[in-house]
Amino acid sequence: EPEVTQTPSHQVTQMGQEVILRCVPISNHLYFYWYRQILGQKVEFLVSFYNNEISEKSEIFDDQFSVERPDGSNFTLKIRSTKLEDSAMYFCASIFGQAFYFGPGTRLTVT
Amino acid sequence: AQKVTQAQTEISVVEKEDVTLDCVYETRDTTYYLFWYKQPPSGELVFLIRRNSFDEQNEISGRYSWNFQKSTSSFNFTITASQVVDSAVYFCALSENAGNNRKLIWGLGTSLAVNP
Repeated sequence: EPEVTQTPSHQVTQMGQEVILRCVPISNHLYFYWYRQILGQKVEFLVSFYNNEISEKSEIFDDQFSVERPDGSNFTLKIRSTKLEDSAMYFCASIFGQAFYFGPGTRLTVT
Repeated sequence: AQKVTQAQTEISVVEKEDVTLDCVYETRDTTYYLFWYKQPPSGELVFLIRRNSFDEQNEISGRYSWNFQKSTSSFNFTITASQVVDSAVYFCALSENAGNNRKLIWGLGTSLAVNP
């Protein structure tokens, strides 16, 4: 069965550094998402992406965040200057109809 | 506005007990979808079920069953004869039929501990 993959599984970075989280959605899916889950809290919507542009973004998704689909297969989330509060699990998802397919997540730790 | 409430923060049961996890939702849409996900300690989100708003039939899958009641805006999840491997955080989520751009609105989750 096709699946969404994410790399790396765990990223440790220092405050102020840039990080890029990578996702490979399922190939025939058209809508892509990033969600975030701070440890012990609920999953929060960050951004949705369709047709090479952002469809919707949450108030969390400020100017420090950006997304792109550079090569038709990868879907990346960039955080320009990480803060301690960016430490979280980041999930990529793609959808087909109403079926959401989540990747295994990247655990980002900002020190 | 849409909202998902999981009032039970933590539940602890002994193996083989039945346990029900509650989920109450709010939406103004007539067409929507409800989901349950399991998050084991390893952190991934495991899809359990999707139910659309027009299908109020209850569903059973092995030891899992779901009770969808539109009249009370609830979509409760029951685990029968719980096992230690069921220990996880369980999330209920709602997706509205917002054209082609759907997003999931999540509850806070219920942490289930099944003790031997």
